[in-house]
Amino acid sequence: ETGVTQTPRHLVMGMTNKKSLKCEQHLGHNAMYWYKQSAKKPLELMFVYNFKEQTENNSVPSRFSPECPNSSHLFLHLHTLQPEDSALYLCASSQDFGGETQYFGPGTRLLVL
Amino acid sequence: GQQLNQSPQSMFIQEGEDVSMNCTSSSIFNTWLWYKQDPGEGPVLLIALYKAGELTSNGRLTAQFGITRKDSFLNISASIPSDVGIYFCAGQQISNFGNEKLTFGTGTRLTIIP
Repeated sequence: ETGVTQTPRHLVMGMTNKKSLKCEQHLGHNAMYWYKQSAKKPLELMFVYNFKEQTENNSVPSRFSPECPNSSHLFLHLHTLQPEDSALYLCASSQDFGGETQYFGPGTRLLVL
Repeated sequence: GQQLNQSPQSMFIQEGEDVSMNCTSSSIFNTWLWYKQDPGEGPVLLIALYKAGELTSNGRLTAQFGITRKDSFLNISASIPSDVGIYFCAGQQISNFGNEKLTFGTGTRLTIIP
C-alpha cells in the first residue's frame, strides 16, 4: 500500500478520444506530480502542483491538460493523443515541493491506437 | 537537462550473489534516492541519502552518497528472487526556478537466474 492510487490501471484509446487519468493520495501531502515513463527512457517529469497551484510544466504538449482540484486529487485530461504518447503515466506526491522524497502510485498504462 | 548515467543497464545474476550498481553525474546533487520498480507498478522508494559521504542500509540494501555529491551506489547482498525488478537512482537539486527538481537515471534491470 503506497498511499497513492491511480485509476484506471490500463487504458486504450483512439487518437480522437478524450479520457482522464485520476490520482489520489492519502498521505496528507501538499505536492503532486505527473510523470511519463517510456521504454528505455528516464522518467520524464510533466507537471508539478504545490498546494493546488501548478509550479512546473516541462514543455508538455497541450493535448495533456492537468487539473488539481485539491491537495489530494490530481487529474490528467487527455485529448487527440498520438501513438507516441503510449507510455506508463505515473503520479507521485511529496510532503512539500522541495527536499522531500516522492511516493509513487502504480501508474496507468496507456496505449494510443 | 541534467542527466544521470546509471550502470549497468542490466544484470543477470544467480540467487545468493551480491549486486552493485551506481549512478554518476557531471552535476552536484543535494539528495540521492534509490527506487525499485516491479513490473506493472510504480517505483517504490528504497533508500534516501541526504549528506555527502552518507552510508545508509535498509536490510540487505546499502547505498552511499558520493563524497563529491556527483555519484551514488547501491549494493544488494545475498540476492533473492523478489529482488528482481528495475532499480532507479534519482538525484535532487535546486532548479533554475529555485525549486527542488528530481532527475532519474535510466534504470538497472536485475534478473535472477534460479
